[in-house]
Amino acid sequence: EVQLLESGGGLIQPGGSLRLSCAASGFTFINFAMTWVRQAPGKGLEWVSGISGSGRTAYYADSVKGRFTISRDNSKNTLYLQMNGLRVEDTAKYYCAKDQGGSSGWSDYWGQGTLVTVSS
Amino acid sequence: QSVLTQPPSASGTPGQRVTISCSGSSSNIGSNSVSWYQQLPGTAPKLLIYSNNQRPSGVPDRFSGSKSGTSASLAISGLQSEDETDYYCAAWDDSLNGRVFGGGTKLTVL
Repeated sequence: EVQLLESGGGLIQPGGSLRLSCAASGFTFINFAMTWVRQAPGKGLEWVSGISGSGRTAYYADSVKGRFTISRDNSKNTLYLQMNGLRVEDTAKYYCAKDQGGSSGWSDYWGQGTLVTVSS
Repeated sequence: QSVLTQPPSASGTPGQRVTISCSGSSSNIGSNSVSWYQQLPGTAPKLLIYSNNQRPSGVPDRFSGSKSGTSASLAISGLQSEDETDYYCAAWDDSLNGRVFGGGTKLTVL
């Protein structure tokens, strides 16, 4: 059974940093691209970043480019999102998702999300 | 403002067939496949349709997807009360080099 468990969210002041983790199980992690998607309170889904199975290729939304870094440790079956220079508008629930069809495909499994609140 | 355009709301009565549209451009829907997600309140999104018209195992055949040019549609037939929730379309965008989502459609079962 595929399981994705996010952690690392919390309350952080503007300008601060946070690292999200997503522990994956139930599938061969290295074989699949992974994605982070966020959802601000009461708003729609926003794609944040994606990474290939090998970790060699990463993609970012313009809204987070230069501030967020996606990475993965295939030996630990874990996906990460390093978030620096956090802004109030980054407040959202962050979901990690397993992709099919590569980074340009679709997400077939999603975690339950971790909440990030950026506020002074 | 989302790159993919969905109607903010849709509605239908039980048993009816409803469609939700998703409009994009040549750089996203026009050149890449579309996926659809259902999100029940307080839960994570769930994959409903992938590769324009394919249903994952476990998704009822009441749900179907189609794509034509730069637009896509999700159809739900035999509408049920449990279908009342939010639906999102998504596609890869070659110009943005990232995935784009529609703004979401809230479906109401009257």
